[in-house]
Amino acid sequence: GQNIDQPTEMTATEGAIVQINCTYQTSGFNGLFWYQQHAGEAPTFLSYNVLDGLEEKGRFSSFLSRSKGYSYLLLKELQMKDSASYLCAVSDSNYQLIWGAGTKLIIKP
Amino acid sequence: DAMVIQNPRYQVTQFGKPVTLSCSQTLNHNVMYWYQQKSSQAPKLLFHYYDKDFNNEADTPDNFQSRRPNTSFCFLDIRSPGLGDAAMYLCATSRGGGQTDTQYFGPGTRLTVL
Repeated sequence: GQNIDQPTEMTATEGAIVQINCTYQTSGFNGLFWYQQHAGEAPTFLSYNVLDGLEEKGRFSSFLSRSKGYSYLLLKELQMKDSASYLCAVSDSNYQLIWGAGTKLIIKP
Repeated sequence: DAMVIQNPRYQVTQFGKPVTLSCSQTLNHNVMYWYQQKSSQAPKLLFHYYDKDFNNEADTPDNFQSRRPNTSFCFLDIRSPGLGDAAMYLCATSRGGGQTDTQYFGPGTRLTVL
C-alpha cells in the first residue's frame, strides 16, 4: 500500500530552527508537496520538490531524497505564527496526492 | 484576487437531513476536488472532476454525491448525514493537464451533525 509517515507533534522555541521529516512509500513518484495548515483553516501551499536536493524559500526550505523516500521541511527563525500543522503529500504514478496526517508544530516563547 | 470560495464556512445539520456544500473558483482551473478531513487526520479525497469528467474514489460512500454544473462551481451533497460525517470539507482546484500541479484550497466548511 501507499504510506506517508510524519511525526505527530513537535515542539520548538521561538527564534530556533526545526526540521520536520517525512518518509514515503508510494506507487510511483511525481513530486512531493509541503502544506501548512493552521487550526480550523485550509491547507496552504508551501513547497514542491521533484528533484533531489534543497529548495530554499525565505525562512522555509524543503529537501528531497528520492532514493531514500525522504523529505524534510526546515523552518528557521521560528515565529509564533508558525504554530500549525505541516502536511507532506506525494503525487503518485497517477498524479493522485497521497497525504500524510500532518505534524503539529507547537512554538513556545 | 483569484481564489477558491466555499460556502457556508460552518454548517449545522440534523442526523439524516440532506445538506449541500458549495465551492466556487475564479482561477479557471480544470480540476476540482472534494476532501473530507477529520481532526488530526490527513485529508481524504472523496472525488474530483477533470472538467466534466467525474472521478469517484473507490471507498467514498454512496451517501456522498457531487455536481459540477460549470467550470466555476462544484457542489457536495450529503444525502443522509450521519454523526460520522461531521468533519471539515475542503474544496481544492488545480490547473490539470496530466502533470503534477499544485492544489489550491478553499477555506473549508466545517460540518456539524446533531
